Amino acid sequence: AQKITQTQPGMFVQEKEAVTLDCTYDTSDPSYGLFWYKQPSSGEMIFLIYQGSYDQQNATEGRYSLNFQKARKSANLVISASQLGDSAMYFCAMSGDDYKLSFGAGTTVTVRA
Amino acid sequence: KAGVTQTPRYLIKTRGQQVTLSCSPISGHRSVSWYQQTPGQGLQFLFEYFSETQRNKGNFPGRFSGRQFSNSRSEMNVSTLELGDSALYLCASSLAGTGIITDTQYFGPGTRLTVL
Repeated sequence: AQKITQTQPGMFVQEKEAVTLDCTYDTSDPSYGLFWYKQPSSGEMIFLIYQGSYDQQNATEGRYSLNFQKARKSANLVISASQLGDSAMYFCAMSGDDYKLSFGAGTTVTVRA
Repeated sequence: KAGVTQTPRYLIKTRGQQVTLSCSPISGHRSVSWYQQTPGQGLQFLFEYFSETQRNKGNFPGRFSGRQFSNSRSEMNVSTLELGDSALYLCASSLAGTGIITDTQYFGPGTRLTVL
């Protein structure tokens, strides 16, 4: 069974600053994928970034980067230069060989002007 | 390329009724997954379909069912609705399904179901 833990229920960040969202995971699968999604108040889940368990380098997508530490089983999301539009719920998720995503509880990010 | 579409976007039903939700995946995607999102339980996996076959099912009662058509469009049905079924139902599509770990799921806007 896979388990995703996000320990930060909510965070405040000042506009233009960076913020790190924590994600730890547990799995017995030898290979797996890690994903981050953004969910604005409208409800749609927006894919942000992906990291494969065998990837040697940390993934980056524009202002998003994933700090992957395999030995510690963590996959933290870093959002640089926060914008007001970044205010949303953020979910860490994992895929394995069972055709489903397992999600964490999410972290609410509020960007202050 | 058009994204995942879900219809209807909002639905109000009463206890005991049944409901059918529809999902059209991104063109070329053959895997469709369904998730239920509630404030108390978070995001929970319902089922996944690939080429009209259900490959995995979450821990939900038999009142929850789904199917996939030959054009990859999918429907889910909930019979004998209960108050606790009120939730946001999200559909996601991907090329091949997360059995291939690089496969990314793209979500639709969701159907918000309210059971009175």
